Amino acid sequence: GAVVSQHPSWVICKSGTSVKIECRSLDFQATTMFWYRQFPKQSLMLMATSNEGSKATYEQGVEKDKFLINHASLTLSTLTVTSAHPEDSSFYICSARDNWRETQYFGPGTRLLVL
Amino acid sequence: AQSVTQPDIHITVSEGASLELRCNYSYGATPYLFWYVQSPGQGLQLLLKYFSGDTLVQGIKGFEAEFKRSQSSFNLRKPSVHWSDAAEYFCAVGEYGNKLVFGAGTILRVKS
Repeated sequence: GAVVSQHPSWVICKSGTSVKIECRSLDFQATTMFWYRQFPKQSLMLMATSNEGSKATYEQGVEKDKFLINHASLTLSTLTVTSAHPEDSSFYICSARDNWRETQYFGPGTRLLVL
Repeated sequence: AQSVTQPDIHITVSEGASLELRCNYSYGATPYLFWYVQSPGQGLQLLLKYFSGDTLVQGIKGFEAEFKRSQSSFNLRKPSVHWSDAAEYFCAVGEYGNKLVFGAGTILRVKS
């Protein structure tokens, strides 16, 4: 149980395009999901907290117009990187909070490369 | 503010040897503590967690961790390391399963 998936696992795109990443909780409902960014050889940095049916809460320094988050259902949150630039290249990881277990479960991550 | 310190960036142990990864936290209340493991290019897998009760918690893959409030520590241990344990390990502190603050991670190398 407590499986979280992400799609796609890899994406390469041209500068200026937008990329959507999906995060799904497969066997539990998640009112709260989280989006993290991880640079090579570094720890995870929380970008935003996604709450089902309401606006996401962004961490300081994260541009909400750049990283659009939608959490339209209890099992799906999406992160859209708008007008991507090479500096947005990173490993993006989502997690979903299982309220019953009071624990976050992580997706396998999405590696984004912007050319 | 919450913070997590993992003082060891890299640790190398021989296969079959015991392992201890250190984690110290700073948190005002009783913390929720987690250890996650990340293999290269992968997401994070939960090893174990501590919320309350018995301060020695057992996790998956033969790992255990001990919560020591007096030392603000939550060290991860394994009595006998296997080559497949080579990965990066993250300690995290959370508030009721909400935001997690991660340590910088410890890379474990296992030599045969």
